[in-house]
Amino acid sequence: GAGVSQSPSNKVTEKGKDVELRCDPISGHTALYWYRQSLGQGLEFLIYFQGNSAPDKSGLPSDRFSAERTGGSVSTLTIQRTQQEDSAVYLCASSFISEGAYEQYFGPGTRLTVT
Amino acid sequence: AQSVSQHNHHVILSEAASLELGCNYSYGGTVNLFWYVQYPGQHLQLLLKYFSGDPLVKGIKGFEAEFIKSKFSFNLRKPSVQWSDTAEYFCAVNAKIKAAGNKLTFGGGTRVLVKP
Repeated sequence: GAGVSQSPSNKVTEKGKDVELRCDPISGHTALYWYRQSLGQGLEFLIYFQGNSAPDKSGLPSDRFSAERTGGSVSTLTIQRTQQEDSAVYLCASSFISEGAYEQYFGPGTRLTVT
Repeated sequence: AQSVSQHNHHVILSEAASLELGCNYSYGGTVNLFWYVQYPGQHLQLLLKYFSGDPLVKGIKGFEAEFIKSKFSFNLRKPSVQWSDTAEYFCAVNAKIKAAGNKLTFGGGTRVLVKP
């Protein structure tokens, strides 16, 4: 079946501009996660959506970062007033949460370069 | 908060050699443990996972990992590597408490290069 998809695959933007990154999770998965993979910081959790619950935003690095998930499916991560340190690969993952075991399935990522 | 450390940043070995990658986590409670792999040009995929039960878990492609609770470790092993095992390997932990949600904390990754 189809996996997690993300768009765009690459994004180059100028410092100070806003960007939107999109994630389409696996159909039926109730949970959606955003992570960031950068050279200096490795893989970091950003935000987590589960069903209709309030999202866990504890990993967002600043208030320039926000995300929403519409209709319990597609999610958009928005970075306002981008800075060079925002350059990274932004990964989306989804999972089906049930009692006990689960695993997260990752998308290919969006490589963001801020010039 | 939990943290994960992977002891080796880079490993170079020849085909048929045995591989062991170390992973230690810091968290006093119960955890779920994972190893993910990222092959060149591909996205992260799950190698194996531990939730409960037998601490020796087997994953895809001949990999296995052993959870040693007393050592807070979840080391990855493969008896005989192939050139196709060249990849970056990530250990990850999720604390089994509601406050942690289901977010994963990752180690820094280990780049493995297998020479043909």
